[in-house]
Amino acid sequence: EPEVTQTPSHQVTQMGQEVILRCVPISNHLYFYWYRQILGQKVEFLVSFYNNEISEKSEIFDDQFSVERPDGSNFTLKIRSTKLEDSAMYFCASSPPPQYFGPGTRLLVL
Amino acid sequence: AQSVTQPDIHITVSEGASLELRCNYSYGATPYLFWYVQSPGQGLQLLLKYFSGDTLVQGIKGFEAEFKRSQSSFNLRKPSVHWSDAAEYFCAVGAGRRDDKIIFGKGTRLHILP
Repeated sequence: EPEVTQTPSHQVTQMGQEVILRCVPISNHLYFYWYRQILGQKVEFLVSFYNNEISEKSEIFDDQFSVERPDGSNFTLKIRSTKLEDSAMYFCASSPPPQYFGPGTRLLVL
Repeated sequence: AQSVTQPDIHITVSEGASLELRCNYSYGATPYLFWYVQSPGQGLQLLLKYFSGDTLVQGIKGFEAEFKRSQSSFNLRKPSVHWSDAAEYFCAVGAGRRDDKIIFGKGTRLHILP
């Protein structure tokens, strides 16, 4: 069964460093998303992406964040200058509906 | 505003007992409704979805959910739980447009007693 994959599974970084989280959506899907889950809290929407542009973004998704589909298979989330509060589990998802989620990348900012 | 309420943060049931997890939503139009499950350290797995039609939907692992428009509810049920069902369960709502975001509830953590 096709699935969404994400790399790395864990990432530790220093505050102020740039990180890139990678996702490979299900191959025939056209709509892509990033969500995050701060430890102990609910899953929150960050951004949706279709046809090489952002469809919608939340207020969390500020100028420090960017997304890109650099080729036909990868979908990336870049955090330009990480803050302590960016520590969370980041989930990629793809659709058509319903959305299928990847296993997540746990980001720890020190 | 769109929102999902899961009133129970934790629920404990004995193995073999029946289960019902509650979910209420607030949404302007007919919603698309989902239940996802998250095992410790794992990602989000889709249990079931409601888009339209029959209001009682069947999912994986023996779960079912019933959409009740009059009560704005989408409760998850299982007739007999197994120890492997211990996990966190998230109810979620979306508009159904292809690129629409999903809004999640805060989750209910299910504990199973042997």
